[in-house]
Amino acid sequence: KNQVEQSPQSLIILEGKNCTLQCNYTVSPFSNLRWYKQDTGRGPVSLTIMTFSENTKSNGRYTATLDADTKQSSLHITASQLSDSASYICVVIPFTGNQFYFGTGTSLTVIP
Amino acid sequence: ETGVTQTPRHLVMGMTNKKSLKCEQHLGHNAMYWYKQSAKKPLELMFVYSLEERVENNSVPSRFSPECPNSSHLFLHLHTLQPEDSALYLCASSQGLAGGGPGGEQFFGPGTRLTVL
Repeated sequence: KNQVEQSPQSLIILEGKNCTLQCNYTVSPFSNLRWYKQDTGRGPVSLTIMTFSENTKSNGRYTATLDADTKQSSLHITASQLSDSASYICVVIPFTGNQFYFGTGTSLTVIP
Repeated sequence: ETGVTQTPRHLVMGMTNKKSLKCEQHLGHNAMYWYKQSAKKPLELMFVYSLEERVENNSVPSRFSPECPNSSHLFLHLHTLQPEDSALYLCASSQGLAGGGPGGEQFFGPGTRLTVL
């Protein structure tokens, strides 16, 4: 079983609407949790990096939250744009070693 | 562009061929990574190099052989691959290792789409 589970697997929303992507993890203890955006045909690009002690981190229209008690993180996208269509990947990084735990991603499609 | 380039972007090879993937970073970073991305699966970390020394080898089959001649270049040499090795191979770099702390933000290249026939 993957230690990082993302939901939904895919999502279609109308341009201008908000959406929230979920990431549940079992990795513990962990150093930081990251959200990446991956456009089709490109490598992932970092959106947010949160340490285990942070609750929220924003990057423009992207806001990530972290609840270490429930081991959940979410990525909220406000006023979606067509360019937000991509795969969003949650990554949990433990304190030691270089083993990164990746989710399988949520595929977001924004339609006009 | 992220400052990390990969060549070739697409590669089709037979199971008996030998080929190499190349990654170059123009960011002055001191750590580089190889990842494998298969459809419907999480990214798999393959190799990590820090200061040109391999610090991680995630049980990768020996048919994949990495090489890091300097801090700006990373190669992945391929030989006698299997069809299940078909995937997107991503290279990344960071200043400092990404593990163990919030630093070491990784910058990814666009990947090489590999198809093994």
